[in-house]
Amino acid sequence: NAGVMQNPRHLVRRRGQEARLRCSPMKGHSHVYWYRQLPEEGLKFMVYLQKENIIDESGMPKERFSAEFPKEGPSILRIQQVVRGDSAAYFCASSPMGHPNQPQHFGDGTRLSIL
Amino acid sequence: AQTVTQSQPEMSVQEAETVTLSCTYDTSESDYYLFWYKQPPSRQMILVIRQEAYKQQNATENRFSVNFQKAAKSFSLKISDSQLGDAAMYFCAYRSAVNNAGNMLTFGGGTRLMVKP
Repeated sequence: NAGVMQNPRHLVRRRGQEARLRCSPMKGHSHVYWYRQLPEEGLKFMVYLQKENIIDESGMPKERFSAEFPKEGPSILRIQQVVRGDSAAYFCASSPMGHPNQPQHFGDGTRLSIL
Repeated sequence: AQTVTQSQPEMSVQEAETVTLSCTYDTSESDYYLFWYKQPPSRQMILVIRQEAYKQQNATENRFSVNFQKAAKSFSLKISDSQLGDAAMYFCAYRSAVNNAGNMLTFGGGTRLMVKP
């Protein structure tokens, strides 16, 4: 049973470009979480999605960031007009349902570097 | 809002010895879950151990055990018989047990554990 798959593993963008990060949850999981990890810091929650719905986006920056989890296909975290401060590791986690007693399984992350 | 604090940025232990990593948290909730995650240089996030707040018994997973002090809001991780492969960043995390209360994990800032051969 494949784990949470994130791609690309590394992504380099120039300032002003768009970054698209993909996350395929574990088979049977319909809940996806995105976290951001700045260098030398812990992970910070960004957004929680179910299929076709954003449940909680309280950790998302108000501008340039968006997320979706369509009925078919992976979840996408999109960052428009990237800036140097967006350089970070972005982790996706999934769970079968949203109940708190179910552990979140993490992908290996996407390391985003902005030139 | 809940906060998680790890007061030890770095810890060092001799191989085969025991080390304890500290974690405190702040919450007004009575029911929640606590976790320790390991992040090796490969940057994967690996669940080490978890504790339900309503359980008085401390969780144990092989060489890893916790000391959960609910009144003190403390959740330390003890690693026994440390191995070189234990070297990593360790993150303490909190999750509310209230269904649909965000469901996110709140992480501490991490402790870097070094293991000396």
